Amino acid sequence: EDQVTQSPEALRLQEGESSSLNCSYTVSGLRGLFWYRQDPGKGPEFLFTLYSAGEEKEKERLKATLTKKESFLHITAPKPEDSATYLCAVQATGNQFYFGTGTSLTVIP
Amino acid sequence: KAGVTQTPRYLIKTRGQQVTLSCSPISGHRSVSWYQQTPGQGLQFLFEYFSETQRNKGNFPGRFSGRQFSNSRSEMNVSTLELGDSALYLCASSWTGFDEKLFFGSGTQLSVL
Repeated sequence: EDQVTQSPEALRLQEGESSSLNCSYTVSGLRGLFWYRQDPGKGPEFLFTLYSAGEEKEKERLKATLTKKESFLHITAPKPEDSATYLCAVQATGNQFYFGTGTSLTVIP
Repeated sequence: KAGVTQTPRYLIKTRGQQVTLSCSPISGHRSVSWYQQTPGQGLQFLFEYFSETQRNKGNFPGRFSGRQFSNSRSEMNVSTLELGDSALYLCASSWTGFDEKLFFGSGTQLSVL
């Protein structure tokens, strides 16, 4: 069964304290892995797409990496405005997207 | 460029009623998909439409249905509402639905009493 699991469920960091979020997946034929950010009361907003193992993408304080079974979202020196829920999604050969339940990140000033 | 627009923003219904939610995709996007988001289950895929045809469907009961019009606007209908249908319903659009990011609306928050 296609499945996406994110950990931890919640993460509290001090401003400047770097960390990583994990997304592990089991899907039959990965077409792509996507990271989204969701703020309260809003829909998810696209961050990155990764298509093959070894691929990395970077944007400001965020860096996403992909292996054959998991992806990491590394947050370097986070700021309070990085507080949000981070969602991982995979698109399988059936074209359907499978989302994880997200990691709620709080960055304390 | 306007984003994905969902209406209404909030809805309160009672058990047994039916509800229709609306989604206007980004201009030019032909793929529209719907998701149910709840705190415990995360985003669950409902269905996807492309050029007025349902191309993919998730594991939801037949009470959940949708359609897409020739201008790519989409509606989702839930009949005989149950308490467990309370959720945030998100609509997402993209050009083709294949190998590309989704653009999400802000959702419709449905409360069933």
